[in-house]
Amino acid sequence: SYELTQPPSVSVFPGQTARITCSGDALPKKYAYWYQQKSPQAPLLIIYDDSKRPSGIPERFSGSSSGTMATLTISRAQVEDEADYYCYSTDSSGDYVVFGGGTKLTVL
Amino acid sequence: EVQLVESGGGLVQPGGSLRLFCATSGFIFSDHPMDWVRQAPGKGLEWVGRIQNKGNSYSTQYAVSVKGRFTISREDSKESLYLQMDSLKSEDTALYYCAVTTKGYWGRGTLVTVSS
Repeated sequence: SYELTQPPSVSVFPGQTARITCSGDALPKKYAYWYQQKSPQAPLLIIYDDSKRPSGIPERFSGSSSGTMATLTISRAQVEDEADYYCYSTDSSGDYVVFGGGTKLTVL
Repeated sequence: EVQLVESGGGLVQPGGSLRLFCATSGFIFSDHPMDWVRQAPGKGLEWVGRIQNKGNSYSTQYAVSVKGRFTISREDSKESLYLQMDSLKSEDTALYYCAVTTKGYWGRGTLVTVSS
């Protein structure tokens, strides 16, 4: 079955740039989405269609995709950005949805 | 305002069945494919399955882990989504969300606990 691979954890200091990667074979053809989750809340969509930001999401959150890797970049990271981040996409057929394993961001 | 409200969760014995409901409002329900996503305690998000809209023949897709045991249906006239869960296993214990994952519309989830 199709998988998206994320690093389990990323740590940065406040004000630094955090980058979270997501790799998957179908990413050259399928959009990546990024969700932020601060337990016990429901996930929050922060990036869709690889690089678009929903209204209300701060500009310091950005997304990109190249080849088999999508990247979520958090510029000038803040303590409030500490959360779990999940990438999401579909397999090459578009029928099966998959979430990455999640990355825990720590802003020290 | 977009709202999705799940219900129907609870405690069920292994091998048992449960039917989850998701009532929606604030968006054109009939236009969108709808997903069920679950999250086991302390674990990540796991997609359970999807039902397409009428234009895509209400086709359904399921994760391998639930295929043959879970059934997703929808009732556009009631803006409602359903998840019939049969032959439940302990590993199905999770918070179950209904969602329009491509739009970022999620409910708060309903907890399903499978235990004897």
